[in-house]
Amino acid sequence: EPEVTQTPSHQVTQMGQEVILRCVPISNHLYFYWYRQILGQKVEFLVSFYNNEISEKSEIFDDQFSVERPDGSNFTLKIRSTKLEDSAMYFCASSAPGLAGGGTDTQYFGPGTRLTVL
Amino acid sequence: AQSVTQLDSHVSVSEGTPVLLRCNYSSSYSPSLFWYVQHPNKGLQLLLKYTSAATLVKGINGFEAEFKKSETSFHLTKPSAHMSDAAEYFCVVSRMAGGGADGLTFGKGTHLIIQP
Repeated sequence: EPEVTQTPSHQVTQMGQEVILRCVPISNHLYFYWYRQILGQKVEFLVSFYNNEISEKSEIFDDQFSVERPDGSNFTLKIRSTKLEDSAMYFCASSAPGLAGGGTDTQYFGPGTRLTVL
Repeated sequence: AQSVTQLDSHVSVSEGTPVLLRCNYSSSYSPSLFWYVQHPNKGLQLLLKYTSAATLVKGINGFEAEFKKSETSFHLTKPSAHMSDAAEYFCVVSRMAGGGADGLTFGKGTHLIIQP
């Protein structure tokens, strides 16, 4: 069964450093998402991406964050200058095209990257 | 705007007894509703979803959920708990059925504990 994969599983970085989290969505999916889950808190939506541009973003997704689909398979989240409060589990998700031209709302999640900022 | 409230942060049941995880939602739209499960150190797995078809939805591993619009509820049930059901369960709402690239809104999660 196809699945979303994410690398690395755990990333440790120093405050102020840039990190890139990588995701490989399910191959026929066209809609891509990033979420984060700070320890002990709920999963929060960051951004969605379709047709090589951001579709929607939350207020968490400020100028330090960016997303990119550098090739036909990868989807990345870059955090430009990490802060202590960026420590969280980051989940990538993808969804398939819908029949009516939009996406389907069933999103399939990867296993997550645990980011620790020291 | 939409929100999800999971009424219990922890639920503990004995193996073989029924499971009930409660969820209420609020949405300005006709939402899609989901339950996801997260086992320790694993990703989020879709259990089931409701998208305005049958109000009683059957999912994987014997779970089901009933959509009650009048009560704005989407409670998750299972007749008989198994040790492998121990996990974190999230009730989730999407803005609209079949919508484009909308972000999901998660509840805070319910930690299900299964006593032997």
